[in-house]
Parts: sequence; C-alpha cells; structure tokens
Amino acid sequence: NAGVTQTPKFQVLKTGQSMTLQCAQDMNHNSMYWYRQDPGMGLRLIYYSASEGTTDKGEVPNGYNVSRLNKREFSLRLESAAPSQTSVYFCASSERTGQANYGYTFGSGTRLTVV
Amino acid sequence: AQKITQTQPGMFVQEKEAVTLDCTYDTSDPSYGLFWYKQPSSGEMIFLIYQGSYDQQNATEGRYSLNFQKARKSANLVISASQLGDSAMYFCAMRPSAGGYQKVTFGTGTKLQVIP
Repeated sequence: NAGVTQTPKFQVLKTGQSMTLQCAQDMNHNSMYWYRQDPGMGLRLIYYSASEGTTDKGEVPNGYNVSRLNKREFSLRLESAAPSQTSVYFCASSERTGQANYGYTFGSGTRLTVV
Repeated sequence: AQKITQTQPGMFVQEKEAVTLDCTYDTSDPSYGLFWYKQPSSGEMIFLIYQGSYDQQNATEGRYSLNFQKARKSANLVISASQLGDSAMYFCAMRPSAGGYQKVTFGTGTKLQVIP
C-alpha cells in the first residue's frame, strides 16, 4: 500500500545510546517532517525537509539531527538519547510545503522509551 | 504566532448520535487552512477533512463536516451518526497559506468515546 513507512515501531534505549529512526514515502511527495507526540501537548515539529536536499529546524530540534537521503527517505537521529526524548515519533509527508490545502500523510509512529 | 485550542479533553457520545468536537484558533495570517486528524488507539494519524479560510461553504467528507465560523475563529468537527469505530483521539490543526514553509500547528486533541 502506498504511504509512509516508519521503522522501528518500538524501541527502548539506554540513556546515552544513539539510534536512527527511518522513514520512507512512496507518494513522490516533496516535503517530509518529523514530529514528536507527548501526552497533553499535541504534535510538535522537530525537523522538516521542504524538498530533497534541504532540511530545517522546527519547534523542538535540540538533541536531534536529520538527513534527507533522497526524495523518498528522511531519517531522524538521536546522537545521545535522554529520558526527555521518550515519546512517540511520527514521520509525515506532503505534496508541497507552502500550500495550505495539502494535508499530511503520516507514518504509523515509533514509540521510543529512554531509560 | 498560531495557536489551536481544543478545550474538550474527553467526550462521550451514544452510538448513532451526532457529536461536535470544538476547535478554536488564533492567527494573524489572512489566509490559512484548517484540518482535522483522527488517531485511533492503534496510533496512526488519519487525515479527515480540510477547510480553507476563503472557502465559501463548509467542508464535508462523508459523515464528517467542518462547522467553520471565521468571525469566531472556530472550526468545529461534526461527526454524524457516530459509530463504534469513531472512538479515537481527534486533532485540529492549521497552517497559513503564504508561500514558503509554513508550520502546521496542532491542538492537544479530544478523546472521543462512542458508547454502544
């Protein structure tokens, strides 16, 4: 099925460990995003990529890095995980960045726990 | 700055009844889009409906309709004939329409439970 694929679905890390969350979309979308979802706080943007070859910080970028590997793939890296990064992470994509009527297509999420 | 407010953390509705989920927003942008997403217990985010700020008519998608009142800055989601499968978290979101990247702002969500 077409859509956004995220891996892994679940992950437990120890404080200080690193990991990369993978995201791939097969809809030929230009823009991709990483969000985190925490209870009572909705979704907050970590990083986004308006188009292949560009990345920019969102609301909560500290502690994360991203790579837009090609048009399909956008990865999120935690270099040194902290308990405050325990969250559910969503990757999303959209046709274009600047047009309001394009909704996002979301991946199924990654539930990350840092102990 | 944009802000989305969803004041109902939780709602109950009887199966087959209609329910309205509230959303108010604040923005200084003259043109913007409003969205609703559904998040079932399985966790995925599902796009439901979109309303443009200059659209003359309220958006409808099947059993979903968006009650858009621009002067009040409200964009309530109405679900008609509720089904058990409608039990989920619902998020209201908005983004400006101006060129370049415009951040989507999400509300904190409303948890809807449909009672048989």
